[in-house]
Amino acid sequence: AQSVAQPEDQVNVAEGNPLTVKCTYSVSGNPYLFWYVQYPNRGLQFLLKYITGDNLVKGSYGFEAEFNKSQTSFHLKKPSALVSDSALYFCAVRDREAGANNLFFGTGTRLTVIP
Amino acid sequence: DGGITQSPKYLFRKEGQNVTLSCEQNLNHDAMYWYRQDPGQGLRLIYYSQIVNDFQKGDIAEGYSVSREKKESFPLTVTSAQKNPTAFYLCASSQRGGYDEQFFGPGTRLTVL
Repeated sequence: AQSVAQPEDQVNVAEGNPLTVKCTYSVSGNPYLFWYVQYPNRGLQFLLKYITGDNLVKGSYGFEAEFNKSQTSFHLKKPSALVSDSALYFCAVRDREAGANNLFFGTGTRLTVIP
Repeated sequence: DGGITQSPKYLFRKEGQNVTLSCEQNLNHDAMYWYRQDPGQGLRLIYYSQIVNDFQKGDIAEGYSVSREKKESFPLTVTSAQKNPTAFYLCASSQRGGYDEQFFGPGTRLTVL
C-alpha cells in the first residue's frame, strides 16, 4: 500500500525566514516523490521530484527537498520565504514497482508567509 | 501555447442529472487522470488512462464514467449515482507514468443544487 502523510495542516513563517513543509511516505518498494503547489481555485503546479541519485533535489522558485530513506521523509524547504509563497502544498508518492501510474497525495499543508 | 484546459470553470447541476466535464490537452501526453479534491482530503484518483481506448478505475470510481476516444481528450461524466458530487475536479496528464510529473488543468468546481 502507498500513502503520504503531511503532519501539519498549517505552517506560518515570517517573510525572509527559512521554511519547511514536512512529508513522510509509505511504499512497499522504492519511491518516486513529488511536490506540487496550489494557489486558490487553481490546478496544481509541479515544483520538484525525486527519482534517484542525489538526495537533495532543487526545483522551481528556489524550493528544494531532501530525500531521507531511513526516515521515509521528503521535506520541502526554502532558505528565505516570500509572501508570494503562501499557498497549499501537496506531497505525492508513487511506488516504482507498483506498475500503476497514479500518484498518492497527502492532504496538503497550507503555508502562510507573514510580511 | 501548450497545456491542459478544463471546461467549464464552474458548473451547477440539479440532483438526478448527469453532467460531463471536459478535459483537453495539447501536450501530446499518453496518460491522463481525473482527481477529485475535497477540503482536508487532498486529491483522490477517480479514473486514469494510459493510452487511447483504455482506462482504469481509481480509488473512488463509483458514480463516475470516462471515455478516451482521442489522445487529447478525457471527458468525465458525473452520474446521478454519485451520492456526493459537489467538489473541485482536476484533470491531469503525463508523458507516460513512472517518474514523469503530472501537469494539471485549472479545475472545474461542480455544485449540486
